[in-house]
Amino acid sequence: AQKITQTQPGMFVQEKEAVTLDCTYDTSDPSYGLFWYKQPSSGEMIFLIYQGSYDQQNATEGRYSLNFQKARKSANLVISASQLGDSAMYFCAMREGDTGGFKTIFGAGTRLFVKA
Amino acid sequence: DSGVTQTPKHLITATGQRVTLRCSPRSGDLSVYWYQQSLDQGLQFLIQYYNGEERAKGNILERFSAQQFPDLHSELNLSSLELGDSALYFCASSTTTGTANYGYTFGSGTRLTVV
Repeated sequence: AQKITQTQPGMFVQEKEAVTLDCTYDTSDPSYGLFWYKQPSSGEMIFLIYQGSYDQQNATEGRYSLNFQKARKSANLVISASQLGDSAMYFCAMREGDTGGFKTIFGAGTRLFVKA
Repeated sequence: DSGVTQTPKHLITATGQRVTLRCSPRSGDLSVYWYQQSLDQGLQFLIQYYNGEERAKGNILERFSAQQFPDLHSELNLSSLELGDSALYFCASSTTTGTANYGYTFGSGTRLTVV
């Protein structure tokens, strides 16, 4: 069965520093997608970044990068130059399935606090 | 505004009652997904519809049902409500069944409180 694990319930980072949020996953499907979402205190879910299981290079989107280590089944999110507005809940997610339908499952989340 | 519209934003109802949550996907999106977010269970996938057909099912209770209409809006029906059903219910949409390499667009959610 597919599984997503985020072992850090909470993280603190100083403004302007980089932070890594951990995510490990487990799946037997060779084709899958990995995602990170941000949920600010206002409650909405915001898509940040995507990594496909066959992608050779790590995904990057602005200050976000995904450190994809396939053999270790990890997909850590790196946020560079943290800003106060980065304070939020961050969810790692994995999609697997086929043309019939897809499930995306979410980890328990990591709450990030950015200190001024 | 993400383009995914969920109504109502807040709902308070009594145990044993039935409610309907509504979702209008982003323009052009054919897939709709329903998620339940509670404090103790995190984000749980409930069900996916694609162009009116059910495509994937998660841990959706038998008391819950959903459908997607020809205009692509979707409704999630929750019946015989229990206190434990209190949660934030999200709808998300995407353009395909999920093969595209981008994430879902989420609505702002419906906060259901069962008293």
